[in-house]
Amino acid sequence: AQTVTQSQPEMSVQEAETVTLSCTYDTSESDYYLFWYKQPPSRQMILVIRQEAYKQQNATENRFSVNFQKAAKSFSLKISDSQLGDAAMYFCAYRGPMEYGNKLVFGAGTILRVKS
Amino acid sequence: DAGVTQSPTHLIKTRGQQVTLRCSPISGHKSVSWYQQVLGQGPQFIFQYYEKEERGRGNFPDRFSARQFPNYSSELNVNALLLGDSALYLCASSLWAQADYGYTFGSGTRLTVV
Repeated sequence: AQTVTQSQPEMSVQEAETVTLSCTYDTSESDYYLFWYKQPPSRQMILVIRQEAYKQQNATENRFSVNFQKAAKSFSLKISDSQLGDAAMYFCAYRGPMEYGNKLVFGAGTILRVKS
Repeated sequence: DAGVTQSPTHLIKTRGQQVTLRCSPISGHKSVSWYQQVLGQGPQFIFQYYEKEERGRGNFPDRFSARQFPNYSSELNVNALLLGDSALYLCASSLWAQADYGYTFGSGTRLTVV
């Protein structure tokens, strides 16, 4: 079974600084998708960034970028120029090939606190 | 354009009761998935429905059931509630069953079983 591990229960960053959230996953598949979701106190899960496993280039969305290391099964999220609005719970998620269904497998999450 | 809407937002039920949670996907989205998020944990997959057919089921007991209506809205039913069913129930929609670009989530229904 696929598993996703987020080893940092909580992280803190100073406003305008950079922070990296870690994620590792376990799969024997070669074709899959990885996602980072943000969950603020409003509870709604918001998609931050996605990565297709067959693409070697790391995904980037404005201040958010990933470091995707397929061989190491690592998928970290870097947030640059951190803002107060970035404070939230961040979840790493994996979606395997179609034959295993369309479900997302989530990690336990990392709480990100942003200090002003 | 409205996002994924869920109702009710909060619910308190007694052990042994039954509950129905509702979800309306984004207009045009044909797939609805349900996730259970226990406090302090990541969401766990319960069901996916696409074009009114069940496309996936997670590791949940038969007390959990769901259905999708012709307008693509969905209901999640939980019978014989247990204290352990207390959680945030999230609904997610996507245009197709295979959400390569991720799902859009609602804000959830907070269920408390006492």
